[in-house]
Amino acid sequence: SQQGEEDPQALSIQEGENATMNCSYKTSINNLQWYRQNSGRGLVHLILIRSNEREKHSGRLRVTLDTSKKSSSLLITASRAADTASYFCAMPLRAGGTSYGKLTFGQGTILTVHP
Amino acid sequence: DTEVTQTPKHLVMGMTNKKSLKCEQHMGHRAMYWYKQKAKKPPELMFVYSYEKLSINESVPSRFSPECPNSSLLNLHLHALQPEDSALYLCASSPLPQVLVYNEQFFGPGTRLTVL
Repeated sequence: SQQGEEDPQALSIQEGENATMNCSYKTSINNLQWYRQNSGRGLVHLILIRSNEREKHSGRLRVTLDTSKKSSSLLITASRAADTASYFCAMPLRAGGTSYGKLTFGQGTILTVHP
Repeated sequence: DTEVTQTPKHLVMGMTNKKSLKCEQHMGHRAMYWYKQKAKKPPELMFVYSYEKLSINESVPSRFSPECPNSSLLNLHLHALQPEDSALYLCASSPLPQVLVYNEQFFGPGTRLTVL
């Protein structure tokens, strides 16, 4: 299985601090995606990083990918109370070069940002 | 229109009821997905439709029956559900099927289902 493992499971910080979440996976990937989910709502796509990329930025988000360590991290800088949510990494499930046509999600990190 | 809509937002049903969940997108996406999500867990894939044809069924019990009447609409018909089927049901779409192109998925807000 290519299911991602995320850590920490939960993270509690103060507004203005940075939050870092990590995702590890087991086999080679084509890309890795990060999603945010506010409580009881749908997921929102944040960023996609391809296997030939090492770092990608989007606003206050910074994602890194280390394919040699099979890991990715999501950094949220200058956090806000509105960033409180669950964050999931997701990757296409594939065997060799063939995609099974579906994403597998990590277990998620619950981020709480206190005002 | 850049969103996926789902109706109803909440649904309470008995174990003998028949109900349907509806999902709609008008982004021209050709892949649509149903996920089931339990509290504090990641979404679990149930079904994938590619070009209006069922391409993946993740061994879902037959009491869940998907339908894709056209490229914009996805239904999930529910019959004789069990209390353990209570969950958030999420619909998603992507421009092309994941088997062709690795692309992001756009999620609807979900239907919170409670089975009594």
